[in-house]
Amino acid sequence: AQKVTQAQTEISVVEKEDVTLDCVYETRDTTYYLFWYKQPPSGELVFLIRRNSFDEQNEISGRYSWNFQKSTSSFNFTITASQVVDSAVYFCALSEYDYGGSQGNLIFGKGTKLSVKP
Amino acid sequence: EPEVTQTPSHQVTQMGQEVILRCVPISNHLYFYWYRQILGQKVEFLVSFYNNEISEKSEIFDDQFSVERPDGSNFTLKIRSTKLEDSAMYFCASSGDRYSNQPQHFGDGTRLSIL
Repeated sequence: AQKVTQAQTEISVVEKEDVTLDCVYETRDTTYYLFWYKQPPSGELVFLIRRNSFDEQNEISGRYSWNFQKSTSSFNFTITASQVVDSAVYFCALSEYDYGGSQGNLIFGKGTKLSVKP
Repeated sequence: EPEVTQTPSHQVTQMGQEVILRCVPISNHLYFYWYRQILGQKVEFLVSFYNNEISEKSEIFDDQFSVERPDGSNFTLKIRSTKLEDSAMYFCASSGDRYSNQPQHFGDGTRLSIL
């Protein structure tokens, strides 16, 4: 069965601190996708990143970086120099990877609520 | 940038009534999804739809639920006889063609409140 665990329910940091959000996943599939989505207080889901299971290269996008470690089944997300606007719930998600078609449905973790205080 | 549009943003309905949630996916997308998020909880998959039929559904998606693509642009979720526990945010998502394998993009959600 597929499962995503985000052990940190809530994190509170002060602006400019770095913060890492943890994500551990379980799957029997040999190929899969991993995602991070952001849900700000307004409620929408904002796509941040997708990684496929073949690509373990870490990725950096501005203040955001992602560390994919297949050996530990983890896909952690780091925000450098956090800002108040980063305050949101962050969801990690997993889906199967189908060579013949689109990805499967997303299995979400329970989310980590990040509060960045000025 | 093209986006998924959902209407209404908030729907208030009496228990037992039928409700239809509407979505306009991104125009060249072929895969459509509905997800549900009960307040304060995680996002849960309901159903996926491709080529005018359901491709996968979860245990939540029982006989009270149905989906339809009535024309070339809309994708709807119907709940036949709403229950209090159907109160949640409902998200529509779509993703691209078979070969581009684009990630799912979500609409802003419809908050459904059952009284």
